[in-house]
Amino acid sequence: EPEVTQTPSHQVTQMGQEVILRCVPISNHLYFYWYRQILGQKVEFLVSFYNNEISEKSEIFDDQFSVERPDGSNFTLKIRSTKLEDSAMYFCASSWVTARGALDTEAFFGQGTRLTVV
Amino acid sequence: GIQVEQSPPDLILQEGANSTLRCNFSDSVNNLQWFHQNPWGQLINLFYIPSGTKQNGRLSATTVATERYSLLYISSSQTTDSGVYFCAVEKNSGYSTLTFGKGTMLLVSP
Repeated sequence: EPEVTQTPSHQVTQMGQEVILRCVPISNHLYFYWYRQILGQKVEFLVSFYNNEISEKSEIFDDQFSVERPDGSNFTLKIRSTKLEDSAMYFCASSWVTARGALDTEAFFGQGTRLTVV
Repeated sequence: GIQVEQSPPDLILQEGANSTLRCNFSDSVNNLQWFHQNPWGQLINLFYIPSGTKQNGRLSATTVATERYSLLYISSSQTTDSGVYFCAVEKNSGYSTLTFGKGTMLLVSP
């Protein structure tokens, strides 16, 4: 069964360092997302990406964050200068279509990358 | 934005018991999904159910979109059902982002 894969599963980084989280969405999906979950809290939306550009982003997704689809398969989230409060589980997700008149917008999530900033 | 409320926040069951988890949402939605977050943090898709009823083994879900709620039923619970159950909705706004509830933490004891 197709699945979203994320690497690494766990990353520890020093405050102020740049990190890149990687994701391979399901191959025929068109929409890609990043969500994060601070320990013990709910999952929060960060950004959605379609047709090589950001389609929506939340207030959390400030200038420290960027996303990129560098090739036909990978989707990355970069945090330019990590802060302690960036420690969280980061989930990548993908879906086939959007809500605009679509019949099926089910999103599938990767297993997550646990980022620890020290 | 849309509000998603899940109840109960915590639930402890004996193995073999049945349970019902509820998700209320504040606006019309295009998509509703139930997830199980296992102890390793993975989000497992349980149901994509913007309306109607679906069943998958011991789990079933019903969404009544006109009344803005969804129910997840777990029958004959097993210890492997333990974890956090999240409801997430996609507002009918043209965007496909999910808003999650705070979850129900379920502990099934042997």
